[in-house]
This record gives sequence, structure tokens and C-alpha cells, in this order.
Amino acid sequence: NAGVMQNPRHLVRRRGQEARLRCSPMKGHSHVYWYRQLPEEGLKFMVYLQKENIIDESGMPKERFSAEFPKEGPSILRIQQVVRGDSAAYFCASSPNRVVNTEAFFGQGTRLTVV
Amino acid sequence: QQQVKQSPQSLIVQKGGIPIINCAYENTAFDYFPWYQQFPGKGPALLIAIRPDVSEKKEGRFTISFNKSAKQFSLHIMDSQPGDSATYFCAAPYGNKLVFGAGTILRVKS
Repeated sequence: NAGVMQNPRHLVRRRGQEARLRCSPMKGHSHVYWYRQLPEEGLKFMVYLQKENIIDESGMPKERFSAEFPKEGPSILRIQQVVRGDSAAYFCASSPNRVVNTEAFFGQGTRLTVV
Repeated sequence: QQQVKQSPQSLIVQKGGIPIINCAYENTAFDYFPWYQQFPGKGPALLIAIRPDVSEKKEGRFTISFNKSAKQFSLHIMDSQPGDSATYFCAAPYGNKLVFGAGTILRVKS
């Protein structure tokens, strides 16, 4: 059973470009969470999705950021018109049920660098 | 308010020592408290978790102690090894998400 798969592992974008981060949850997991980690800092919640639905996006910046988890395919975190402050590691986690009641497993992350 | 306060920020112990990392949380309606271990350049890995119907849970060299009335829980690493050097995060459940502490950087000296 493969773990949570994220790609790409590293992504370099110029200011103003778009970044697309992908996350395939563990088999049998229908709950996906995105977190952001700045250097030397903890994990900050961004968004929680179930298949085809955004359940909680309270941690997402209001502009430029969006997320989806379609019926088929991976979850996508999309950052439009990236700025230097978007440089961070973005982690996806998946769980079989709501994460407040059960284990959540993280992927290896995508490290975004904006130049 | 959803806060998880973790201490210390960093910790250095000798091989064989017992590092202790503490977390305090605020009111939550849920009962699941995990610890994660993260090595540089890697994702957080679930280490051990506890539900507060018990006050202690042990898995190998890792033990969680839980004090529900004080809203505190701690991680103990028995017989620590240099390979345990990593950043450790506690988390508490709120609403639809886990809220993480700021992390503890542990270094075990050989």
C-alpha cells in the first residue's frame, strides 16, 4: 500500500507564474488535508477536502490560492501569480475518516521556491 | 481559540538519556492526540497517538503521558539514540483539522 504521494518534490517558479502541487492520498483514504511549513516553523493548516468537496478552507489565503479534489485523480493545490512569500514546503495528508478522530499520514511534501 | 503550546523549542541529550517534550492545548471537543517525527527534507511521520481514555500509551521506546484535567500531554523517548535526532511535533484536534505545536528540535549526542 503506497503512502501519500506528492509531486513534484521540488518546484521553482518565477514571480507571477502559477504553481500546481499534486497529492494522491493513500488507497482507501477519501479525506485530504493541505498544510504549509515555512523554514524553521510548524505546520499551518490550509484546507480540508473530501472527494469533490471543500470542507474547510479557513487556512487558505483569500486570494491566489485554490484547491480541488476531483472524483478522479489527485488533489491539486494551485497558487496563482506566486510571490516570494509563497516559498515554503507544502504537505498533503490523508486519512480514512476525519483527522480529528483517526490517523493522518503525510506525504514527502513539495518544496516551492519562488525566484 | 485553537492553540497548541509545545516546549522546549530545542533539546540536546546524551545517548541513552530520556528527552521529554511537553504540549498544552486549549479546549477541544475531540479526543485524539498524535505526535509526529520529521527528519530534514522529509514529511512528518506519525509516531504515536493517544486517546484520553487512558493516561499513558507506550510503543517501543516512545511513551505518551496524558493529563486531561490539565490539558497537557508529553512525549518521552526512552534510551534515546542518535537516530532519534529530528523535529517532533504534537498536535491537537479542532473542528476539521489537527493544529500543530511549533515543534521541538531534538539532538541526541553519541
